Formats: sequence, structure tokens, C-alpha cells
Amino acid sequence: DAGITQSPRHKVTETGTPVTLRCHQTENHRYMYWYRQDPGHGLRLIHYSYGVKDTDKGEVSDGYSVSRSKTEDFLLTLESATSSQTSVYFCAISTRLAAETQYFGPGTRLLVL
Amino acid sequence: EDQVTQSPEALRLQEGESSSLNCSYTVSGLRGLFWYRQDPGKGPEFLFTLYSAGEEKEKERLKATLTKKESFLHITAPKPEDSATYLCAVKGMNRDDKIIFGKGTRLHILP
Repeated sequence: DAGITQSPRHKVTETGTPVTLRCHQTENHRYMYWYRQDPGHGLRLIHYSYGVKDTDKGEVSDGYSVSRSKTEDFLLTLESATSSQTSVYFCAISTRLAAETQYFGPGTRLLVL
Repeated sequence: EDQVTQSPEALRLQEGESSSLNCSYTVSGLRGLFWYRQDPGKGPEFLFTLYSAGEEKEKERLKATLTKKESFLHITAPKPEDSATYLCAVKGMNRDDKIIFGKGTRLHILP
């Protein structure tokens, strides 16, 4: 398995609460991604990073922010969680920008009440 | 707009009954097509990358093929442990293109 961990693995929170999800990698890959997966949808890209402090928006970035202060850590923050953000969140890493294989973490299951 | 459509949505097979999963795609120039396997409660696991029409790749009971409009994942004599959701994804040639995922095919192999 690629060295990717996500924390927490499960979280229940209330509407309006800020939430931060963490992705940690031990592979020293340059690119990191946050996706969400919902029934009836494919994996959808939220944000991605192409280096320390270098990030960009994906397909469904509204309501989310990210930060990357170290190569190994990529944080996803929901500033004020809403029920529509209930989902399973996956982190992925790659050596090149979406042109090569992406390796995925185990996921974080988030429930916003 | 880039699109990926997988069919069928779900497939039930008897153990040993071979079949194929389809991934149709629309992209302005294909950089790569990816197949992943996803088990319940886990992240997607990489299977194959295909780059050009006519290319084929194999891994155990799985073989992926690629044409200019679609890809097939052939499963030969499947076993119950092959039960999973299989995801297809594509990336276009443009540098800013992101990987687009299909909704997946849920495969269930009955013993």
C-alpha cells in the first residue's frame, strides 16, 4: 500500500461547525488531491496541490479550503459544515499532475447533522 | 466537456462466468485511461493505465483493452474475491485537464 493515511477516519459534526481533515503521505510525492465520493456520482475533485503552499481548485471547491505547509501533509477544511458536505473524502497522491497513477488513502467518512 | 460513462451499473455473475465491463469516454485527446478497484469502505486501488488505442494490459483474471471511444475490463473465470466496484477514469491531453471518474460498476460474483 502507498504510504497514505487520513485522519480522522470517521467524524460526526453539526451544521455550522468548522472541520479539518488531514492527509499524510510518506512517499514524498509532489502532487496531492482531495476528492469526495457520493452515491450516484463519480469521485469529484475538490482541490489539489502541486507543491508546498501551491494549491488550486477542482470541480467542487465551493465551501472548502486547503493548505499544504509541508510536503507530507495536505489539510482540507470545511469552514462551516453543511449537510450537503456529508460524504466520504479521499486523499490521493501522484508523482505527476494527474497524468500518472494516483494512489488513494483509506478515506474519511464525514456526517454533518 | 469530458465525460466518462460506465456500464452496467451493477453486474451479478456466477463464479467462473466470464464477462466484460464497459467504459465509454469523451475527451479532447486522451492522455491516459485508468482502471481502479474499490472494495467497500476502502479507497480505490490502482489496476491499469492505458495510453493508446489497441493497448491491452492483464493482471490475473483481468484484462483491460482500449479503443478510441471506450475501454473494456474483461473478467475471465471470476472468483468471489473479485467482487468489488470497478472505476474507470480518463485524463485529457491539456495540461490543465484533471482526471474525470465514472460512477463505477458494482460487480458481485456468486459462489
